[in-house]
Amino acid sequence: KAGVTQTPRYLIKTRGQQVTLSCSPISGHRSVSWYQQTPGQGLQFLFEYFSETQRNKGNFPGRFSGRQFSNSRSEMNVSTLELGDSALYLCASSLGWAGGYGYTFGSGTRLTVV
Amino acid sequence: AQSVTQLGSHVSVSEGALVLLRCNYSSSVPPYLFWYVQYPNQGLQLLLKYTTGATLVKGINGFEAEFKKSETSFHLTKPSAHMSDAAEYFCAVSGDAGGTSYGKLTFGQGTILTVHP
Repeated sequence: KAGVTQTPRYLIKTRGQQVTLSCSPISGHRSVSWYQQTPGQGLQFLFEYFSETQRNKGNFPGRFSGRQFSNSRSEMNVSTLELGDSALYLCASSLGWAGGYGYTFGSGTRLTVV
Repeated sequence: AQSVTQLGSHVSVSEGALVLLRCNYSSSVPPYLFWYVQYPNQGLQLLLKYTTGATLVKGINGFEAEFKKSETSFHLTKPSAHMSDAAEYFCAVSGDAGGTSYGKLTFGQGTILTVHP
């Protein structure tokens, strides 16, 4: 079956702009979470959604937001981009909670802010 | 709060040698532990996970890990390294359903494994 699909794979934006990243989970998976990966900070949790509800949120400024649709697809948005937002953004999906099932990750979206 | 410490940011082994990647965790609740691998320009692939039951967990590609509660460790091993094992490896922990870590994985900083011919 198809894995977790993230679009686009690569993105270049200018400081101050906003960006929307998309994630399609594995069919039947209702939990979607997002992570930011940078060389300095490693993998950091952004937020997690289950059945269109945000269940948990990481320690990121309000410029980072997300949502989940009724078909479990998810988007994350970053407004007023800063150079430090340059990172690999990973989406992951799961049948339920992380402890029981673990997460399947997509290939990520590489965001470069110039 | 949960945390994960991976000892050694870089590990180098010869092809055919034992691979040992170290992971220690801190968790106030029974932990659920994972090892993921990341190849360049790709996402994370699940190698294995510990939830409950047997403390020795076998994963894909010949990897296994042992959960030792008394040592708060979950080290990853492979008896014989292959060139294709060269990648970055991440240990992660998740807490119990309903807790503050619900839906969240906390990752270690990663260990880059280099395999020499």
